[in-house]
Amino acid sequence: GAVVSQHPSRVICKSGTSVKIECRSLDFQATTMFWYRQFPKKSLMLMATSNEGSKATYEQGVEKDKFLINHASLTLSTLTVTSAHPEDSSFYICSASWDRGEGPGELFFGEGSRLTVL
Amino acid sequence: QKEVEQNSGPLSVPEGAIASLNCTYSDRGSQSFFWYRQYSGKSPELIMFIYSNGDKEDGRFTAQLNKASQYVSLLIRDSQPSDSATYLCAVNDNFNKFYFGSGTKLNVKP
Repeated sequence: GAVVSQHPSRVICKSGTSVKIECRSLDFQATTMFWYRQFPKKSLMLMATSNEGSKATYEQGVEKDKFLINHASLTLSTLTVTSAHPEDSSFYICSASWDRGEGPGELFFGEGSRLTVL
Repeated sequence: QKEVEQNSGPLSVPEGAIASLNCTYSDRGSQSFFWYRQYSGKSPELIMFIYSNGDKEDGRFTAQLNKASQYVSLLIRDSQPSDSATYLCAVNDNFNKFYFGSGTKLNVKP
């Protein structure tokens, strides 16, 4: 399967600071990447769809000015949590859709980034 | 967000038994369906996908899809303790977005 790498895996920051999380597709070009958020023992919540070369599409209820997404190349998307607060503490997971050419595209996940805001 | 429903469990089965995991979805436009396994603190990993009605088998895993009933299931034969994890059902809509259920926690007891 395809490889998606996410960095950092863990980050602790002070309230009010900004944190950037990187997501890279290592062995394929991903025109579309997705950012999810997961609370403990809860489902993955789709935050936004990141499209290479254009603005991200945010899901309802997700603040686009709070969660800045940039998809500058076919292999890199970044999520910046701006002015982080303790309620932003969560597990953030990026993913990329990989089209085998037959059947549906598959979604491969990065390792996830656990954000703790103090 | 589109609804994907799963029983949270935990589902406990003895080693060697068949584990049956179920999922329903609300969007009739959903195109394809996926089962992911997630260990605690880790990101999900793909087990298998299905997009046609009926059964699809891959080793010890069988996915079943019934689009008329908006229902998809995963059977795990000869369950092993290493299968203990949370299993996430995901659906892919017409816009290639993936939506996830809350997951079913499976415990396989030795």
